[in-house]
Amino acid sequence: QSVLTQPPSVSAAPGQKVTISCSGSSSNIGNNYVSWYQQLPGTAPKLLIYDNNKRPSGIPDRFSGSKSGTSATLGITGLQTGDEADYYCGTWDSSLSAGGVFGGGTKLTVL
Amino acid sequence: QVQLVESGGGLVKPGGSLRLSCAASGFTFSDYYMSWIRQAPGKGLEWVSYISSSGSTIYYADSVKGRFTISRDNAKNSLYLQMNSLRAEDTAVYYCARDEAAMVIILDYWGQGTLVTVSS
Repeated sequence: QSVLTQPPSVSAAPGQKVTISCSGSSSNIGNNYVSWYQQLPGTAPKLLIYDNNKRPSGIPDRFSGSKSGTSATLGITGLQTGDEADYYCGTWDSSLSAGGVFGGGTKLTVL
Repeated sequence: QVQLVESGGGLVKPGGSLRLSCAASGFTFSDYYMSWIRQAPGKGLEWVSYISSSGSTIYYADSVKGRFTISRDNAKNSLYLQMNSLRAEDTAVYYCARDEAAMVIILDYWGQGTLVTVSS
């Protein structure tokens, strides 16, 4: 059971938009920055979004992030077949067992 | 360019030990925090441990606390994970990753991972 909750799967057609939610609590998302990672099949994860809504250089602006309270959202517009991957949210948890936490991951299918 | 290369994975019996290494290049290793993350077969990411740039601050996931030890050698540009009292549930691909900030989780570069299998 992951500390952060993500939907197991989402799907949309090429060219469409999709959002992936990530729900946490005051000890993690509520008081810390959120990052998002894309993991293509058979590869290591890749940083997509950090500090809730910033994109590293080289990440297209089709990818966006937002945070409100204890939830965060990843948005992807202009879906491409190459976007099919697993997506993970992550943040720091400031509780007694302080450390990093991830969501369970969301499998994106581009129909 | 930034490169992280893990090594040391393999097959080990329950209760056994293994030491993973992560060789870093392409950046000033001593300036950065580092983390270990693992992924069990067919499962999601699990954060394992974090070490500050100097090695003075360390955190562990509850699932490995008391069994795993993270360390670094800035002179050798290397990160380590000593894993003792291994259990079947420790079976996973272990990634090392560069962390951009303290206690925030901004893992901007990842290695290719090394597979650890705990089985009799």
